[in-house]
Amino acid sequence: GQNIDQPTEMTATEGAIVQINCTYQTSGFNGLFWYQQHAGEAPTFLSYNVLDGLEEKGRFSSFLSRSKGYSYLLLKELQMKDSASYLCAVADSNYQLIWGAGTKLIIKP
Amino acid sequence: DVKVTQSSRYLVKRTGEKVFLECVQDMDHENMFWYRQDPGLGLRLIYFSYDVKMKEKGDIPEGYSVSREKKERFSLILESASTNQTSMYLCASSRTSAEIYNEQFFGPGTRLTVL
Repeated sequence: GQNIDQPTEMTATEGAIVQINCTYQTSGFNGLFWYQQHAGEAPTFLSYNVLDGLEEKGRFSSFLSRSKGYSYLLLKELQMKDSASYLCAVADSNYQLIWGAGTKLIIKP
Repeated sequence: DVKVTQSSRYLVKRTGEKVFLECVQDMDHENMFWYRQDPGLGLRLIYFSYDVKMKEKGDIPEGYSVSREKKERFSLILESASTNQTSMYLCASSRTSAEIYNEQFFGPGTRLTVL
């Protein structure tokens, strides 16, 4: 079967760095997405990786290793507004998105 | 600015009622999707559409149907609502291109409660 695994919840301190991991097993691979979802709101796109390596975008970076079926989202200089759920999704061989359950990130002052 | 809108943010219906959830996008996207989101579970695809009047079943289509008469509008129908359909419903759209990358844009969601 297809599955995406990510931690259910993480806690970090304002100003610190946090890494959210995602492992996947899917039928085919056409890219991995990270979305951010604040409570009660729609998911919004953060990043897309299709090749191995690190993609940096401001305070957020995303890493992919296709051979290991592994990705992480790195958030630097954490701010209170970063408190949200972070969703990992993989596009399979049919370009359908398989979604993880999301990681709820709690930022403490 | 890209926009996906859904007809209601909150909806309360009774068991057995027919329920219509509407979604409209103004980006001229070919693809539209309906998901449901429940605590502890990932987004689960109910139905999707790649073109007008075209529909494909997702992972959990039972108890649902859809309609896409116009490119910008994708409707989700619960023929006879049941309590296990209480959930957050999210509509999304994306464009079709020769590229692999197809970011999905989401609407604000409809929180449906079936009593």
